[in-house]
Amino acid sequence: RKEVEQDPGPFNVPEGATVAFNCTYSNSASQSFFWYRQDCRKEPKLLMSVYSSGNEDGRFTAQLNRASQYISLLIRDSKLSDSATYLCVVSPNFGNEKLTFGTGTRLTIIP
Amino acid sequence: NAGVTQTPKFRILKIGQSMTLQCTQDMNHNYMYWYRQDPGMGLKLIYYSVGAGITDKGEVPNGYNVSRSTTEDFPLRLELAAPSQTSVYFCASSYHGQGAGDQPQHFGDGTRLSIL
Repeated sequence: RKEVEQDPGPFNVPEGATVAFNCTYSNSASQSFFWYRQDCRKEPKLLMSVYSSGNEDGRFTAQLNRASQYISLLIRDSKLSDSATYLCVVSPNFGNEKLTFGTGTRLTIIP
Repeated sequence: NAGVTQTPKFRILKIGQSMTLQCTQDMNHNYMYWYRQDPGMGLKLIYYSVGAGITDKGEVPNGYNVSRSTTEDFPLRLELAAPSQTSVYFCASSYHGQGAGDQPQHFGDGTRLSIL
């Protein structure tokens, strides 16, 4: 089993729709969780951290389910600019070192 | 503010050649990292450093060497290039300290390396 597993997609979603991605992780001792965004042929950039209580940043909502060991990302009112690959990232520490990256879920927003 | 700068952006090497991928950051970050990303795969950690003079292996260190003589620079060296090292290489840095919280890793633009 991979340490971090994601549905690779691609997800092709019409503009304005809501889309959700899930990610599962195998290490139950993992402490920190993140979603990164990677545009085509670009570097990854932090989208948001994922907290146990769930957190929201504008149109983006991230949730963590420790019992089932999965993380989700919800994008509401999707924009063309949301087209990218979304990387689920997990760390065994409270912090940002020794990150384990998922392979990413590719999202294309269709006009 | 340049952030993390990687050079070169592209390089083609012949099997057996050596080269150094340069990485420098101007954010005074104490932690630095080297990753490789193969097509359709997640990033794999090659080496990382928690400060000048300190380096440690990541998940896929074989075939690579690093050094960290200054806070700013973290070069990655390939001694005997092999086709399996064809990949996109990303350097990253982050700040860690008491009360740092969730400081993101900042990535460079990447170096696209082909070994033929």
